[in-house]
Amino acid sequence: RKEVEQDPGPFNVPEGATVAFNCTYSNSASQSFFWYRQDCRKEPKLLMSVYSSGNEDGRFTAQLNRASQYISLLIRDSKLSDSATYLCAVLHPDTGRRALTFGSGTRLQVQP
Amino acid sequence: DADVTQTPRNRITKTGKRIMLECSQTKGHDRMYWYRQDPGLGLRLIYYSFDVKDINKGEISDGYSVSRQAQAKFSLSLESAIPNQTALYFCATSTTDTQYFGPGTRLTVL
Repeated sequence: RKEVEQDPGPFNVPEGATVAFNCTYSNSASQSFFWYRQDCRKEPKLLMSVYSSGNEDGRFTAQLNRASQYISLLIRDSKLSDSATYLCAVLHPDTGRRALTFGSGTRLQVQP
Repeated sequence: DADVTQTPRNRITKTGKRIMLECSQTKGHDRMYWYRQDPGLGLRLIYYSFDVKDINKGEISDGYSVSRQAQAKFSLSLESAIPNQTALYFCATSTTDTQYFGPGTRLTVL
C-alpha cells in the first residue's frame, strides 16, 4: 500500500460547481499535512496547510480526519483557473526523515 | 527574482554521461531537497540536506549523488545517466515542514 494515495481523476466539473478530493495516508503517526497545486509542467505550489481543526481560505476548505486517516480539499464555486493537479503531502516523522511524502495527485478540469 | 532557481531548465543527454543539476536559493532556508516526478508516480524524494554538513538519502537515491556546497546551493549528480532517469527534477527548500519548489529541470536521457 502506498504511504499517500489519491484518486488520479480527472475530475471534470462545470464552472461554479463544488468539488472535493480526498487523500488517504497509511501512517497513523503522520503529523503535518498540506495541499499543493501543480499546473502542467510547472512546480508544485503550496495551496494550504491542513490543521486538525480544519481551515478555510476563500473558496478552499481543508480538513483532516485522523480517525480515518485522510485529508480532504473542498473547492467551492469552481473557476476555470482552478484547473490543475492537486497534490497532497504528509510528513511521517517516524521514518527518520523530515521530508514530505507526496501523493501522485488528482487532476481537476473545470469546464465552461 | 525567483527564490529557488534550477539550472539547466532542460537537458538532453546520452546514456553513460555524467550530468549535474544545480539548485540555488535566496530564501535563507537550511533545508534543501531533490525530488523527481514521473507521470503517475508523483514526487519521489532522492536526497535531502538539513545543513551544509548533513546529507541524507531519500527513497530513490540509487544512481544519484548530491553536494551541498553552501547553505544556498544543493547539486544533484547523475554519475552515469540511464534512460529510466528521464524525468522532471525539482529542488525544494524549507525552514519548517512547508516546502517551496524551484521551477524544475526536464531531463531526457537517450
